[in-house]
Amino acid sequence: GQQLNQSPQSMFIQEGEDVSMNCTSSSIFNTWLWYKQEPGEGPVLLIALYKAGELTSNGRLTAQFGITRKDSFLNISASIPSDVGIYFCAGEINAGKSTFGDGTTLTVKP
Amino acid sequence: GAVVSQHPSRVICKSGTSVKIECRSLDFQATTMFWYRQFPKKSLMLMATSNEGSKATYEQGVEKDKFLINHASLTLSTLTVTSAQPEDSSFYICSAPPLSGVLQEQFFGPGTRLTVL
Repeated sequence: GQQLNQSPQSMFIQEGEDVSMNCTSSSIFNTWLWYKQEPGEGPVLLIALYKAGELTSNGRLTAQFGITRKDSFLNISASIPSDVGIYFCAGEINAGKSTFGDGTTLTVKP
Repeated sequence: GAVVSQHPSRVICKSGTSVKIECRSLDFQATTMFWYRQFPKKSLMLMATSNEGSKATYEQGVEKDKFLINHASLTLSTLTVTSAQPEDSSFYICSAPPLSGVLQEQFFGPGTRLTVL
C-alpha cells in the first residue's frame, strides 16, 4: 500500500519561531490533508489541499500541494504554546480513505 | 463543524471478553464511516470501511471475525472487538465524511482507549 514519509519526527522550538514539516510519497495522491492531534483526542483537520500546486492558508498555518502530487508541506508561523501537539499529513486517492504519515510531534517552549 | 462522538471513551476489560465501541455522527448523516487503530506515538492505521446497509470492507491483515463492524443506520457504526486479548489494547478512532459535504473532509471522533488485562 501507499506509504507517507513525514519529517521531522519531532521538533522542539521556542515560542515565536516558525515551523516547517513535510510529507513525501512514492505514490500520487488526489488530496493532501493536514491534521493536528492532541493527547487522548481524535485528529482535527487543519487544511485540505485538492489541486497540484495549491497553496492554502488557515491563520498562521500554510500548506502546499506539491506539483508532482507526491508531496506536501505545512508551515506554522510565529508559534505559540497551544500549537503543541502531533501533526499528521494524510493522502487520499479515494474519497474518505486516508493514508497517514507517522506524525511530527511539536513542542513549543514559552 | 460536524461532530462525531464515540462511546465509551475508555474501557478496561479482561482477556476473552468482547467490547463494543460506538461511533455516532451527531448532526449529519454518513453512509460510510472509517475505523482506525492507533498505537502510542504511532500513526493512524485504517482497519476497515463501514458501509451502511452492507458488509464492511476490511484492510489487508485485519481479521473480520475479530473486529466485527455493524453500520446499522446513517448515524451509527459499531466496532466489536471479540475475545479481546492484551495485544488488542490500543486507541480506536472512527471518522465519517458527511453525505452532503466535501467527501475529503472527514470528521474524527475523540477516540476510545481500550485496555485488555
